[in-house]
Amino acid sequence: SAVISQKPSRDICQRGTSLTIQCQVDSQVTMMFWYRQQPGQSLTLIATANQGSEATYESGFVIDKFPISRPNLTFSTLTVSNMSPEDSSIYLCSVNYLETQYFGPGTRLLVL
Amino acid sequence: QKEVEQNSGPLSVPEGAIASLNCTYSDRGSQSFFWYRQYSGKSPELIMSIYSNGDKEDGRFTAQLNKASQYVSLLIRDSQPSDSATYLCAVTLNPHGQNFVFGPGTRLSVLP
Repeated sequence: SAVISQKPSRDICQRGTSLTIQCQVDSQVTMMFWYRQQPGQSLTLIATANQGSEATYESGFVIDKFPISRPNLTFSTLTVSNMSPEDSSIYLCSVNYLETQYFGPGTRLLVL
Repeated sequence: QKEVEQNSGPLSVPEGAIASLNCTYSDRGSQSFFWYRQYSGKSPELIMSIYSNGDKEDGRFTAQLNKASQYVSLLIRDSQPSDSATYLCAVTLNPHGQNFVFGPGTRLSVLP
């Protein structure tokens, strides 16, 4: 299996600020995925991050709001920009390894 | 619109009983099917994957797939209180990580 770590594990932020979430995986993977899970809801894919190219965003998510970096095959960051209370959620990094989707521990974000 | 639906919960079963979790999907081209377990406050963890019609057993868990009916289920035998969690069904056209679609989840409560 793939082991994924995320930082920070949780944060409380003020409206209008930005937070960058880091994701590190212990294996080289082509694609890394960022999901959001709002309270009591299922997982929603934000974007797919490929190394060396721009991330691909799902409908309803834009690069200005959720810029992503993918500098190498084991690391990615997701920034939540100009935050509002509606951005309060759990953000999960995920990778596909040997045809199975694995998830990081998540980052719990609360925006006041 | 790709959709994955699960039986609405919460589902309560007594300890030792069989818990039956159901999932239907709309895209007939779906190739791979997964069940994830998510404890409150934790990230999803993979329980079972199934790719072919029929049953697949792993310990107390049995996944059943019927592609003609676009239906996948998870049976948990001898349910334990530690099985209490939300179970997410996931479906994908592509086993390499793209286009995973998650259902809304079914919350299972196993009563001692």
